Amino acid sequence: EAQVTQNPRYLITVTGKKLTVTCSQNMNHEYMSWYRQDPGLGLRQIYYSMNVEVTDKGDVPEGYKVSRKEKRNFPLILESPSPNQTSLYFCATLGRGVTYNEQFFGPGTRLTVL
Amino acid sequence: AQSVAQPEDQVNVAEGNPLTVKCTYSVSGNPYLFWYVQYPNRGLQFLLKYITGDNLVKGSYGFEAEFNKSQTSFHLKKPSALVSDSALYFCAVRDAKLYNFNKFYFGSGTKLNVKP
Repeated sequence: EAQVTQNPRYLITVTGKKLTVTCSQNMNHEYMSWYRQDPGLGLRQIYYSMNVEVTDKGDVPEGYKVSRKEKRNFPLILESPSPNQTSLYFCATLGRGVTYNEQFFGPGTRLTVL
Repeated sequence: AQSVAQPEDQVNVAEGNPLTVKCTYSVSGNPYLFWYVQYPNRGLQFLLKYITGDNLVKGSYGFEAEFNKSQTSFHLKKPSALVSDSALYFCAVRDAKLYNFNKFYFGSGTKLNVKP
């Protein structure tokens, strides 16, 4: 089954404790992206990656890092989380061929930073 | 600047009645436009897209949307609402301008409530 997986699904942590949210896809898509969803603000793009070793900033990259060492994985790293990074995070891939321009989203990771 | 506006936080409609969820956008170049739906505790699911061609596009679950260039709008519609359509709907845009092509912009979302 074609899917995007994220881990963990829920995470409660404390300010300053480094964390990584993993994202993996089995669709061989080149483009991957991270979003955060906040009430009243919708989804905002954090980082995206066009392919392995190619990443770029979205609209709200401050406080986040990403890496793309292999095609299927695109982890989101918070080196020193702060309470304003409490949010719902989604990883997404971009389809090819008949699904070109369609994004496939993971189930989300709810992060709380105390 | 690129942006998407969904002016209604919530839309209430009775089952069987037509529904409209509004979206307007602002981009530098030609827009690629999308609608996504989010059910509780789930990721977003693609509904439909406008890239080029016919202004009226049809998508999943009986939804359709009309691209209006002069009004910079892309409203989502369905002729007859179902209770199961109740969810959070997001409009999104991709700017065809090359320097901005890899970014996506989403609206703030509209909660659709369909009452029996």
